[in-house]
Amino acid sequence: RKEVEQDPGPFNVPEGATVAFNCTYSNSASQSFFWYRQDCRKEPKLLMSVYSSGNEDGRFTAQLNRASQYISLLIRDSKLSDSATYLCVVNRDSSASKIIFGSGTRLSIRP
Amino acid sequence: DAGITQSPRHKVTETGTPVTLRCHQTENHRYMYWYRQDPGHGLRLIHYSYGVKDTDKGEVSDGYSVSRSKTEDFLLTLESATSSQTSVYFCAISPDRGTAEQYFGPGTRLTVT
Repeated sequence: RKEVEQDPGPFNVPEGATVAFNCTYSNSASQSFFWYRQDCRKEPKLLMSVYSSGNEDGRFTAQLNRASQYISLLIRDSKLSDSATYLCVVNRDSSASKIIFGSGTRLSIRP
Repeated sequence: DAGITQSPRHKVTETGTPVTLRCHQTENHRYMYWYRQDPGHGLRLIHYSYGVKDTDKGEVSDGYSVSRSKTEDFLLTLESATSSQTSVYFCAISPDRGTAEQYFGPGTRLTVT
């Protein structure tokens, strides 16, 4: 079983829809969590950190559920430009070698 | 965007040849990382550096070596390239210790024939 798991998708939703996807992690001692987005054939870019209390950045909301060991990303009023692969990242501790990337969830927004 | 460049951006090489990839940053960040990305695997850490001449292994370090003689440059060497090292290689930087808040370079697409 992978330490960080994501549904690979693709999620294919119409413009304006709300879409959510989860990422599960297996190490309960994991300390910090992030979402990145990666456009096709481009580098990953940090989208947002995930805080214990949940956090919002415009149309994006990230949440952490430590009890069930998953993080989620909700995108409201989706735009064509949201089409990308979303990577979940988990930091097991403060060591650089303990940063684990999920394989990503592909999102495609259709007009 | 963070000032990170990678060279070359594309390379095709033959099995058994040595290959060196370069990462250059203008942000003066302490931490630098090399990852490879393959379908179905996500990004996997090869090596990282926490200062000049200070490096450590990541999850998939076999067959790779690194060097950092200046803050701004981090080199990844494939000592004898194999077809299993065909991949996209990303360099990343971060200012803080062990953080996953990283900034990535544009990547190098390496094909080993």
